Amino acid sequence: DQQVKQNSPSLSVQEGRISILNCDYTNSMFDYFLWYKKYPAEGPTFLISISSIKDKNEDGRFTVFLNKSAKHLSLHIVPSQPGDSAVYFCAATSWGSQGNLIFGKGTKLSVKP
Amino acid sequence: SQTIHQWPATLVQPVGSPLSLECTVEGTSNPNLYWYRQAAGRGLQLLFYSVGIGQISSEVPQNLSASRPQDRQFILSSKKLLLSDSGFYLCAWKPPLTNYGYTFGSGTRLTVV
Repeated sequence: DQQVKQNSPSLSVQEGRISILNCDYTNSMFDYFLWYKKYPAEGPTFLISISSIKDKNEDGRFTVFLNKSAKHLSLHIVPSQPGDSAVYFCAATSWGSQGNLIFGKGTKLSVKP
Repeated sequence: SQTIHQWPATLVQPVGSPLSLECTVEGTSNPNLYWYRQAAGRGLQLLFYSVGIGQISSEVPQNLSASRPQDRQFILSSKKLLLSDSGFYLCAWKPPLTNYGYTFGSGTRLTVV
């Protein structure tokens, strides 16, 4: 059973517009959530995170929103740039799991000029 | 600063041959270490993790094994590769007892032919 779900395998957005990537989770014990960005043939790189005590965290063009009641988080990229084209992975963890991350299957974002 | 090294970058191996992928971390001590695999369309699958020398936890029973002979060295092995072992293998580390995100290595593309 998938505990972290990214239901959209791909997303295409025009440069300058907003990209919204969604992630749902099922385990109510998760209390820390992260987004990673991955280019082909490279390891994922950490992008932004949010603790369950917050509902929003912002870092430059990237904002993560957390809706605990809906067990849903989203990553907003504004404005989107062609260099943002990559696969984005949502991940979740809880203190009781050694901090091990559970990843979604990823969403491939394509930002078109 | 901490760095993670993973090699080789690419590997083509025949079915039935052995496998050894190595990962080392520098600039930290007692890291949590992880092996993930990214297979086509399947996201990031946790294979093994280790919280200390000689301590290996397996998440997915399969044809692979892992070992941690030294504090900052993590090895992924197989005695006989299967076609289904093909994929992109990623090593990662994080400080122990924290909820910090992982730092990933650059990955190894394994093709079993």
